[in-house]
Amino acid sequence: EPEVTQTPSHQVTQMGQEVILRCVPISNHLYFYWYRQILGQKVEFLVSFYNNEISEKSEIFDDQFSVERPDGSNFTLKIRSTKLEDSAMYFCASSVAGPPGTIYFGEGSWLTVV
Amino acid sequence: GESVGLHLPTLSVQEGDNSIINCAYSNSASDYFIWYKQESGKGPQFIIDIRSNMDKRQGQRVTVLLNKTVKHLSLQIAATQPGDSAVYFCAEAMNRDDKIIFGKGTRLHILP
Repeated sequence: EPEVTQTPSHQVTQMGQEVILRCVPISNHLYFYWYRQILGQKVEFLVSFYNNEISEKSEIFDDQFSVERPDGSNFTLKIRSTKLEDSAMYFCASSVAGPPGTIYFGEGSWLTVV
Repeated sequence: GESVGLHLPTLSVQEGDNSIINCAYSNSASDYFIWYKQESGKGPQFIIDIRSNMDKRQGQRVTVLLNKTVKHLSLQIAATQPGDSAVYFCAEAMNRDDKIIFGKGTRLHILP
């Protein structure tokens, strides 16, 4: 069964460092998303991406965050200067159709900022 | 403020019994509702969805009920099994929006 894959599964970084989280969405999907989940809390929307541009973003997704689809398969989330409160599980997701469509999630990248 | 939430943070059910997980939403403009299952250390896994023009939808061992009058969504799991232990999230979306919004989650414990 096709799945969304994410790397790394876990990353520890020092505060102020840049982090890039990588995702390979399901191959025929056109819509891509990043969500995050702080430990024990609900899953929060960060950003959606379609047709090589951001289609929607939340308040969390400030200037420290950026997304990119550098080639036909990868979708990345960059945090420019990490803060302690960025520690969370980051989920990439994709869907084949537009809103609303069934969104499939990856296993997540656990980011710990120290 | 939040538009999706859950009545109970934890639900304990005897193995073999039916489970009912409830969710309340406040955004009457939502067109689409989804239940996700999240096992420990994993990403949310799609279970079942329902559109606002339906009241009920059945899947394999799961049923989702939508009551638009009281803005209530429920997930029924028949013959609950140990593998059903997880956190269950309801989520909602609007047709014109490019995202889904998650509720807080209910942890389902299966008692032997």
